[in-house]
Amino acid sequence: GDSVTQMEGPVTLSEEAFLTINCTYTATGYPSLFWYVQYPGEGLQLLLKATKADDKGSNKGFEATYRKETTSFHLEKGSVQVSDSAVYFCALSGRGGSNYKLTFGKGTLLTVNP
Amino acid sequence: EPEVTQTPSHQVTQMGQEVILRCVPISNHLYFYWYRQILGQKVEFLVSFYNNEISEKSEIFDDQFSVERPDGSNFTLKIRSTKLEDSAMYFCASSVLEAGEAFFGQGTRLTVV
Repeated sequence: GDSVTQMEGPVTLSEEAFLTINCTYTATGYPSLFWYVQYPGEGLQLLLKATKADDKGSNKGFEATYRKETTSFHLEKGSVQVSDSAVYFCALSGRGGSNYKLTFGKGTLLTVNP
Repeated sequence: EPEVTQTPSHQVTQMGQEVILRCVPISNHLYFYWYRQILGQKVEFLVSFYNNEISEKSEIFDDQFSVERPDGSNFTLKIRSTKLEDSAMYFCASSVLEAGEAFFGQGTRLTVV
């Protein structure tokens, strides 16, 4: 079945550091890929998405590119802020029939120190 | 900004008791979902619901679980006889389209003692 593997956390960075959170997936067909973020005490929020190979999703300075050849969707940000501290989830949504459920990775806790 | 609302935020229940977790999806959304996250583990899909019926469910969603949209605004998840291993954060989500962005609630933390 479909699966998502993302790098284990926690990740601790200083403000303005470069962020990469790795995500790889296994899926049949051509899934859509997502990054969700969960700030403390809040629900999951969609951060960015990509629906086909070579698409780049971007939002709030975060980027991720759908790489079919490496089955990856790594999250990057050039300069993190304290306010980016949160748990980040990589996810995919399968296609075919009515199967649009999300399959999530385990989540990566990011802490950004001033 | 419209949001998905879940109540309660935290529920403690005794093993064997029935619990009902409540969700109010965004008003014009048509597709509804429940997910759960056991502490330290992945967020897992439980069930999707459309047009007043279950469209898909996972193997986790056994006969102890049921969902209902009783009044056109609420979407509930019932666990008939809770077990210790049902302790988790339960997330409700909704979307306008089948392949559209899913909006999540803040979650209900269920603790079974």
